Amino acid sequence: QKEVEQDPGPLSVPEGAIVSLNCTYSNSAFQYFMWYRQYSRKGPELLMYTYSSGNKEDGRFTAQVDKSSKYISLFIRDSQPSDSATYLCAMSEDDMRFGAGTRLTVKP
Amino acid sequence: DTAVSQTPKYLVTQMGNDKSIKCEQNLGHDTMYWYKQDSKKFLKIMFSYNNKELIINETVPNRFSPKSPDKAHLNLHINSLELGDSAVYFCASSVRGGFYGYTFGSGTRLTVV
Repeated sequence: QKEVEQDPGPLSVPEGAIVSLNCTYSNSAFQYFMWYRQYSRKGPELLMYTYSSGNKEDGRFTAQVDKSSKYISLFIRDSQPSDSATYLCAMSEDDMRFGAGTRLTVKP
Repeated sequence: DTAVSQTPKYLVTQMGNDKSIKCEQNLGHDTMYWYKQDSKKFLKIMFSYNNKELIINETVPNRFSPKSPDKAHLNLHINSLELGDSAVYFCASSVRGGFYGYTFGSGTRLTVV
């Protein structure tokens, strides 16, 4: 079993839809949870950062962490074509582990 | 001002050659990393340096040798390139421990023919 599991998709939604992206993990020592967005032929950029369990909201993006279930989510409200990218979850205790990334396409 | 810059962006080379990729960060971060991203987009850590000292060295062939002349630079030298080395290599940096996330460069697309 991989340390971090993420469905690679692809995921295709119409513009305006609510998108839900998820990751599960096996290492209960992880304390820091992140979501990165990677556009084609670019480096990953940090989107959301959460420490331990709970929710964090930033504009149209909401990150949730449920440590008891070892499950993290990223919600995108009112999705836009510019949100089309690969989204990678990441988590760390001493060093960062990444999920495989979910490729999202938002169609106009 | 580019925070983490890598050169070159693209590298096409023949099997058996030796090549280097350079990375520089101007964020004042203490820790720098090299990641390999395969065709399925999976990011795998290769090396991590904290203030010029190697702290992570994952299972990577010893043909790959990182060099950190100072804490703002982490270069990657690859000897005897193989077809399987073709991938995108990302440099990243963070504050010590990386707890607040990494800043990535734009990547070096290496193609070995």
